[in-house]
Amino acid sequence: AQSVTQLDSHVSVSEGTPVLLRCNYSSSYSPSLFWYVQHPNKGLQLLLKYTSAATLVKGINGFEAEFKKSETSFHLTKPSAHMSDAAEYFCVVKAGNNRKLIWGLGTSLAVNP
Amino acid sequence: EPEVTQTPSHQVTQMGQEVILRCVPISNHLYFYWYRQILGQKVEFLVSFYNNEISEKSEIFDDQFSVERPDGSNFTLKIRSTKLEDSAMYFCASIGDRASEQYFGPGTRLTVT
Repeated sequence: AQSVTQLDSHVSVSEGTPVLLRCNYSSSYSPSLFWYVQHPNKGLQLLLKYTSAATLVKGINGFEAEFKKSETSFHLTKPSAHMSDAAEYFCVVKAGNNRKLIWGLGTSLAVNP
Repeated sequence: EPEVTQTPSHQVTQMGQEVILRCVPISNHLYFYWYRQILGQKVEFLVSFYNNEISEKSEIFDDQFSVERPDGSNFTLKIRSTKLEDSAMYFCASIGDRASEQYFGPGTRLTVT
C-alpha cells in the first residue's frame, strides 16, 4: 500500500532563508509523487511532480524537490523564502490503477519578516 | 487556461437534508474524482469515476453518497442525508489521461448544522 509521511506539521522560517519541507513515502512500486500547495481559503495548486524522469524536479515559484529512492524521500526545498510562500503544503503519492491520490497530513509553512 | 469549476463555493444545510455539489471538469478529461478535507485534517479520497461508472471508492463513500455525470459537462456528488461530520471542504478533480496530474477545482465548503 502507498502512504506518505510529512515529518513536520509546522515549519517557521525567516524571509530570505531556505525552506525545507520533509516527506517520506511508502510504495510497492515506482511511485508518482507530487507536492501541492494550499493558500488560506484557496484551492489546491500543483507545485511540482515526479513521474520517474529526472530525480530533481523543478516546480513553480522557485520550489524544487529531489526524489531519493534509497531514502524513500521527496523533500521540498526553496533557496529563499518569500512572504507569499506562507501556506499549507501537501506531499502526495499517486496510488492504484485508478490513480487516486494519497495525501500527507500537510505542513504549515510560516514565513516571518 | 482550462480549469475545473465547482458550485456553490459555500453550502450551508441542516442535518438530514440532501445536498448536491456540482463540478465542471476540464472538457476533454476522462477521469473524475471527489476528495474531502475536514477542517484541520488531511485531504481524503472519496471516489473515482470513469466511463460513466465508479471505478473506486473509499470507506467514507457509503450508501449516503452517490456520484453522477448527468450530461457531458457536469459531475455531481450527492449526499442523501447529511450528518454533522459531513462538514468539510469538498474538492473535485479531473485528469485527461492516467499519466497526467489531477487538476483540482477551488472546492465547496459544506457546513452541516
